[in-house]
Amino acid sequence: NAGVTQTPKFRVLKTGQSMTLLCAQDMNHEYMYWYRQDPGMGLRLIHYSVGEGTTAKGEVPDGYNVSRLKKQNFLLGLESAAPSQTSVYFCASSDPGQYNQPQHFGDGTRLSIL
Amino acid sequence: AQSVTQLDSHVSVSEGTPVLLRCNYSSSYSPSLFWYVQHPNKGLQLLLKYTSAATLVKGINGFEAEFKKSETSFHLTKPSAHMSDAAEYFCVVSGRAGYSTLTFGKGTMLLVSP
Repeated sequence: NAGVTQTPKFRVLKTGQSMTLLCAQDMNHEYMYWYRQDPGMGLRLIHYSVGEGTTAKGEVPDGYNVSRLKKQNFLLGLESAAPSQTSVYFCASSDPGQYNQPQHFGDGTRLSIL
Repeated sequence: AQSVTQLDSHVSVSEGTPVLLRCNYSSSYSPSLFWYVQHPNKGLQLLLKYTSAATLVKGINGFEAEFKKSETSFHLTKPSAHMSDAAEYFCVVSGRAGYSTLTFGKGTMLLVSP
């Protein structure tokens, strides 16, 4: 059971570099999410998607872009990395329902910006 | 609007003693509430969820939580702590059915001593 898989697991970037984080889910979920986790802050929503081809801004979207070209994949891009984007990034997915369905999380990508 | 407050950043217990992790919430809607657990260098795992059915919710690994609307609380308990329970715990609220954007508490670190 793969669930939600994030690639890469670790990465170190220099300020100004760009990169893409990949999230893949094999549960056929409609909804996907990107969060960042910083010490003492809990998780904060960056962007989310309610279906293939759709994206929306979350709580902290600045400096990030996303794409959902295929239902099973959700990409998070950093066009010009900044030290403030050093964080642990989590992807999650869920299905719609009458009540809010729990989200299933990947193991995270640890990103350091020097 | 919705928010969640975890009243303790750290809780220390001895193995075999009860666990109490406190959470208060606010929501403009009838809320869905979740508790997630995060072990070191891992993603978040769902412990339990409340979605307006029974107010006492049982989860995995012997945890349970009680929804108290009058107190706007959703505290997590376990009768007897185990060393493997040492982790960070997040209380999460979602107030709108449909797409489930979540609001996370800042987390409570549970420390279990022998």
